[in-house]
Amino acid sequence: NAGVTQTPKFQVLKTGQSMTLLCAQDMNHEYMSWYRQDPGMGLRLIHYSVGAGITDQGEVPNGYNVSRSTTEDFPLRLLSAAPSQTSVYFCASSSRSYEQYFGPGTRLTVT
Amino acid sequence: RKEVEQDPGPFNVPEGATVAFNCTYSNSASQSFFWYRQDCRKEPKLLMSVYSSGNEDGRFTAQLNRASQYISLLIRDSKLSDSATYLCVVNMDTGRRALTFGSGTRLQVQP
Repeated sequence: NAGVTQTPKFQVLKTGQSMTLLCAQDMNHEYMSWYRQDPGMGLRLIHYSVGAGITDQGEVPNGYNVSRSTTEDFPLRLLSAAPSQTSVYFCASSSRSYEQYFGPGTRLTVT
Repeated sequence: RKEVEQDPGPFNVPEGATVAFNCTYSNSASQSFFWYRQDCRKEPKLLMSVYSSGNEDGRFTAQLNRASQYISLLIRDSKLSDSATYLCVVNMDTGRRALTFGSGTRLQVQP
């Protein structure tokens, strides 16, 4: 039981490049979400999903897309990377309770 | 005004000390409250939920004051291993099941 896994752990992009951050969970959780964490600002919700085929925007969705084709996977796509998207990205999942289990994070730098 | 506000600290305390953190939230309709712990460059992990009647888990006590819209965390007999950032987390929209995170309070326990 690996919990929540994220790949890659580190990534450097040039402005304008696109990429996909991967997130997978093996706990059969319905709810999955993506956060970004910036110094002094706490975690902010980007997008979330309450089940396969259902996604919705969070607090800071601009510049990101998500899809949820399976219960296990919830990839986050950066369409055209900008320096403002330099951050640490956490994926999380939860069952019916509100306890969220986080992945180890992806540290992204956009130059 | 931030939706969830915490004193960033750092709180520097000696081993064995008792330390308390407060957190205020803006939405009086908030239903669920939590404290998460985050170690340096790691993912957040649930420390404890906060119930209306208050709750205790070993050396940790959490309390909720709905009238004043704040929650607190008390740590007794601090250990070196308690050094971390403590995140106050509130569910402000039960329909979305999305969590709002404070920016965290850093605790450093010194020998």
